[in-house]
Amino acid sequence: EAGVTQFPSHSVIEKGQTVTLRCDPISGHDNLYWYRRVMGKEIKFLLHFVKESKQDESGMPNNRFLAERTGGTYSTLKVQPAELEDSGVYFCASSQALRLAGRDSSYNEQFFGPGTRLTVL
Amino acid sequence: LAKTTQPISMDSYEGQEVNITCSHNNIATNDYITWYQQFPSQGPRFIIQGYKTKVTNEVASLFIPADRKSSTLSLPRVSLSDTAVYYCLVGPLGGANNLFFGTGTRLTVIP
Repeated sequence: EAGVTQFPSHSVIEKGQTVTLRCDPISGHDNLYWYRRVMGKEIKFLLHFVKESKQDESGMPNNRFLAERTGGTYSTLKVQPAELEDSGVYFCASSQALRLAGRDSSYNEQFFGPGTRLTVL
Repeated sequence: LAKTTQPISMDSYEGQEVNITCSHNNIATNDYITWYQQFPSQGPRFIIQGYKTKVTNEVASLFIPADRKSSTLSLPRVSLSDTAVYYCLVGPLGGANNLFFGTGTRLTVIP
């Protein structure tokens, strides 16, 4: 089974340009998450989709970032216009719908993609 | 938001057991403890998750005391390929907004 894939693996753009990152989750996973790590900082949550709906976008830094998930399948994250501080690695993750099988055995593993390294010059 | 504290780095020789402890004093009743592993140029990878007591899988064990204010990830007989950053996360299931990665522990396995 294919894992989470992200495209492109690297992107180098100039300040003010637009970049669109794509994430293809594992087939059948309702949950899709975007995270990012900017240089020297920790991995931070950006937003969470459940199917095509945004469940939580509290981590989105500002309105230059727009995420979509067409038909509840793949997702795109557009940065427009890009700024220098947007440089970093953007990770996508997906997980199945939450399953509960008793408090001590419940889990909701998130499967991460390899990330897209974005460099804004 | 339950924040986690773990050592910045650890070194271990091949074949030894490694225990990485994470503190999460403000853990909430509905929070689970999850550990992820990350290799360079890859995304984090789920290792193990638990709520209380002990959880064991083919990769690791997770020990959680009764007060749940800390947890210990145990890696048996580490090899060079276990060199990675290990993250302790605390949060409710399905609630990505509460997954705080922190700095992680950089484990270096020495030949």
